[in-house]
Amino acid sequence: EPEVTQTPSHQVTQMGQEVILRCVPISNHLYFYWYRQILGQKVEFLVSFYNNEISEKSEIFDDQFSVERPDGSNFTLKIRSTKLEDSAMYFCASSRSLGGGELFFGEGSRLTVL
Amino acid sequence: DQQVKQNSPSLSVQEGRISILNCDYTNSMFDYFLWYKKYPAEGPTFLISISSIKDKNEDGRFTVFLNKSAKHLSLHIVPSQPGDSAVYFCAASASNTGKLIFGQGTTLQVKP
Repeated sequence: EPEVTQTPSHQVTQMGQEVILRCVPISNHLYFYWYRQILGQKVEFLVSFYNNEISEKSEIFDDQFSVERPDGSNFTLKIRSTKLEDSAMYFCASSRSLGGGELFFGEGSRLTVL
Repeated sequence: DQQVKQNSPSLSVQEGRISILNCDYTNSMFDYFLWYKKYPAEGPTFLISISSIKDKNEDGRFTVFLNKSAKHLSLHIVPSQPGDSAVYFCAASASNTGKLIFGQGTTLQVKP
């Protein structure tokens, strides 16, 4: 069964460092997303991406964040200068359609900022 | 801004009995609702969904009920099994966006 894969599974970084989280969405999906879950809190939407551009972003997704689809398979989330409060599980997801269809999530990348 | 709420943080049921998980929403633009199951250190796994044009959708042991007038949906699991023990998230979206708004989650424990 096709699945969304994410790397790394866990990354530890120092405050102020740049981090890139990688995702390989399901191959025939067209819409890509990043969500995050801070420990003990709800899963929060960060950004959606379609046709090589951002479709929608939340207020969390400020100038420190960026997304890219550098080739036909990878989808990346970059945090330019990490802060302590960026520590969270980051989930990549993909879907075939916009609205009315389920999102398929990856296993997540745990980011720990020290 | 809690557009999707799951007011019960936890639920404990006996194996074989029914589990009922509840979810309320406030945004009238939501027209698609989903339930996800999540184990620790894993991503959410899709369980079942319902469109706002329906009031019930069933898939095996899982049934989702939607009451649009009350802005309320529920997930019924019958019979409950110990392997169902996990965190269950309710999520909602509007048809013009793929963004899901999640509730806080309900931790279900099914005791053998």
